[in-house]
Amino acid sequence: IAGITQAPTSQILAAGRRMTLRCTQDMRHNAMYWYRQDLGLGLRLIHYSNTAGTTGKGEVPDGYSVSRANTDDFPLTLASAVPSQTSVYFCASSAGTHNEQFFGPGTRLTVL
Amino acid sequence: GQNIDQPTEMTATEGAIVQINCTYQTSGFNGLFWYQQHAGEAPTFLSYNVLDGLEEKGRFSSFLSRSKGYSYLLLKELQMKDSASYLCAVKDSNYQLIWGAGTKLIIKP
Repeated sequence: IAGITQAPTSQILAAGRRMTLRCTQDMRHNAMYWYRQDLGLGLRLIHYSNTAGTTGKGEVPDGYSVSRANTDDFPLTLASAVPSQTSVYFCASSAGTHNEQFFGPGTRLTVL
Repeated sequence: GQNIDQPTEMTATEGAIVQINCTYQTSGFNGLFWYQQHAGEAPTFLSYNVLDGLEEKGRFSSFLSRSKGYSYLLLKELQMKDSASYLCAVKDSNYQLIWGAGTKLIIKP
């Protein structure tokens, strides 16, 4: 692994289903983030974690949950997917809150 | 509310210079970032400004004026591979990044 990986690359999901997007980094970064990117809008922060064991809500947290059991992994869970959650999801990490963020390749999610 | 404004789209010619502007209104300021994003790919870091003035990095330069809430990204000697979206982002008082919608730059031969 080099940098940040995300899985799956893409997914089509029926509304109401539960889905977990995976994110793993090998840079030993303290901070990790989940964003969604929609056409015509800037990246919007869903949840973040400044260090392992802590998480916080971003701009658009409703319908999503996260956990940070260790430094490397930061999964994002949609408990019951809705069509408005159709988006491209990016995971990112940074050494600290003052540093630039490095992004994973993204997960393209379609909820029907 | 917090707001980052940048032009939606710009067109420039290969070999030329282009300036992409960004204005911001945020709750607090802890730095401004520029990222490049090619279609279908992840954003990649270009530059960081926290003090007023110009930061130069090869063909790319970024300028910041905190009193005016203004930044620009200057790209020189444009190449076809520079065709991408350029994202402006400001770190607010909570150290979270607030993102603009991005400027799609089209380079013509």
